[in-house]
Amino acid sequence: ETVLTQSPGTLSLSPGERATLSCRANQRVSSNYLAWYQQKPGQAPRLLIYDASSRATGIPDRFSGSGSGTDFTLTISRLEPEDFAVYCCQQYGSSSGVTFGGGTKVELK
Amino acid sequence: QVQLHESGPGLVKPSQTLSLTCTVSGDSISSGNYYWSWIRQPAGKGLEWLGRVFNTGSTTYNSSLKSRVTMSVDTSTNQFSLRLNSVTAADTAVYYCARSRRAVAGGYYFDYWGQGTLVTVSS
Repeated sequence: ETVLTQSPGTLSLSPGERATLSCRANQRVSSNYLAWYQQKPGQAPRLLIYDASSRATGIPDRFSGSGSGTDFTLTISRLEPEDFAVYCCQQYGSSSGVTFGGGTKVELK
Repeated sequence: QVQLHESGPGLVKPSQTLSLTCTVSGDSISSGNYYWSWIRQPAGKGLEWLGRVFNTGSTTYNSSLKSRVTMSVDTSTNQFSLRLNSVTAADTAVYYCARSRRAVAGGYYFDYWGQGTLVTVSS
């Protein structure tokens, strides 16, 4: 099973700052099939990035994904007030299933 | 706009069967363009994919739960369902349904999700 480890666990930042979130896999993610989601309490999770670097429909361009192999990054170039949330990565490189990372909380400093 | 909504009992007794339904609006399950998944998240923990169903009724389940889980689809009502039997406290979680896109020679990612429903397993 591909295990995803996200770091840091919590990121304390101010609006306007840059956020860099890491997702590391214990084995290569096939075809860089990695997605990022945003979670807010009481709301449906929101797909941000798929295929490691493709933005989902309607996602602002301040969100970007990069990386390959085992190391992936989600960058939020300038934090807006609505961006404070939990972010989760997910790999889907295996046809037998998918796994998620434990999440990174981006909180207001 | 695609919307998904989970419904079902919020409390299930240990050893009994958890049953949830997901109602889809804004898209048609029968179109065959997507797969339909269940995902859960225990409090304070990460997300766990439970499995998916297609409009034909074909299923793929997470191997860790395969013996206890059943998913089905009803295209006439545009709904799909989850049944998880022999539940224990470890099955207490927020359960989400989601529309799933399949990657070429890969698994699934999820472009629309329901808001989730909390299911507590307790006597």
